[in-house]
Amino acid sequence: EDQVTQSPEALRLQEGESSSLNCSYTVSGLRGLFWYRQDPGKGPEFLFTLYSAGEEKEKERLKATLTKKESFLHITAPKPEDSATYLCAVHDSWGKLQFGAGTQVVVTP
Amino acid sequence: GAVVSQHPSWVICKSGTSVKIECRSLDFQATTMFWYRQFPKQSLMLMATSNEGSKATYEQGVEKDKFLINHASLTLSTLTVTSAHPEDSSFYICSALPWAGGGSSTDTQYFGPGTRLTVL
Repeated sequence: EDQVTQSPEALRLQEGESSSLNCSYTVSGLRGLFWYRQDPGKGPEFLFTLYSAGEEKEKERLKATLTKKESFLHITAPKPEDSATYLCAVHDSWGKLQFGAGTQVVVTP
Repeated sequence: GAVVSQHPSWVICKSGTSVKIECRSLDFQATTMFWYRQFPKQSLMLMATSNEGSKATYEQGVEKDKFLINHASLTLSTLTVTSAHPEDSSFYICSALPWAGGGSSTDTQYFGPGTRLTVL
């Protein structure tokens, strides 16, 4: 059965304190792993798509990496505006996006 | 690029009335759009897949007669919640897959800002 598990559920960081979010997945034949950012009361905002193990992508303070079983979203020197819920999703066997429960990140000044 | 809009952003209606939500891809064409529902502090739950020019495909447990989906053009899909009841109150989000041409779409879904529905 296809499954996406994100950890931790919540993360509280001081401004400048780097950390990583984890997304572990089980899916037969990965067709893409996606990271989104969601602010309260808004739709998810696309961040990255990763397709193969070893792939890395960066955008400002965010860097996403992919292995055969998991993906990490590294937040380097976060700022308060990085506070959001970060969602991980994979294409399941039916070609639909299956989301993890998300990691709520709060960055305090 | 890849902007998706939804209208309205919020709506309050009385029980028993119908509500239509529009989802538009503003700067790309999309043969496939999706409708999700999100409850507080939960992740997105796929309701249905909307394909331009054909009937929508609904997920198990989603009443197709209650949630009517129409995808009449390559940039517009609508979700109509018929005879809404308080339990239909939720955050509804659409997404769109950019059409890559040649009968294929890209893999990345772009999401709209969501519509907050409150049924009194």
